Amino acid sequence: NAGVTQTPKFQVLKTGQSMTLQCAQDMNHNSMYWYRQDPGMGLRLIYYSASEGTTDKGEVPNGYNVSRLNKREFSLRLESAAPSQTSVYFCASRQTNTGELFFGEGSRLTVL
Amino acid sequence: SQQGEEDPQALSIQEGENATMNCSYKTSINNLQWYRQNSGRGLVHLILIRSNEREKHSGRLRVTLDTSKKSSSLLITASRAADTASYFCAPEPNAGGTSYGKLTFGQGTILTVHP
Repeated sequence: NAGVTQTPKFQVLKTGQSMTLQCAQDMNHNSMYWYRQDPGMGLRLIYYSASEGTTDKGEVPNGYNVSRLNKREFSLRLESAAPSQTSVYFCASRQTNTGELFFGEGSRLTVL
Repeated sequence: SQQGEEDPQALSIQEGENATMNCSYKTSINNLQWYRQNSGRGLVHLILIRSNEREKHSGRLRVTLDTSKKSSSLLITASRAADTASYFCAPEPNAGGTSYGKLTFGQGTILTVHP
């Protein structure tokens, strides 16, 4: 079972460039999440989607947009990347009956 | 934010010893979850305790929850070198509020178990 798959795993951008991080889950979960993790800061919630067609801001949404394309996919877009967005990004989906989050392996983004 | 705050920030012990990590949070919760993260990997779910539960066990893990003090603890008994990882708590706000469903995390506790 693939679980939660994130692409790309690594990416280097220049300031001002745009890119989209892709996330897909094959567990038929309704809720999906995007987090960023910086050294010493733990994980911070960027955006949350309770179900297909709905999205909601988390703790640090500025500079990001999301799309819940269908039940499987939840993408995160950086329209104009900034060095402050250098981070490791994690996507997660949530099993409804247990409440457990399943995480992807992360996407490591560097903005120069 | 309803994120939990883990304490201590770092814990270093010898194999065979017990490890205790604590989590404090601010408002009423529906449940609280604990996760583990190995270096460079995604988080893995360990255990969930509901607000009406006081204690829960899973293998070598024991979790307690004190809703009156808004705190939880994770005990790992007979630690092994393989338990070396970061541990995070995630308190889930009560249903009906604007934060419901938005699981947030603190900075975590870095546990090092020496062989």
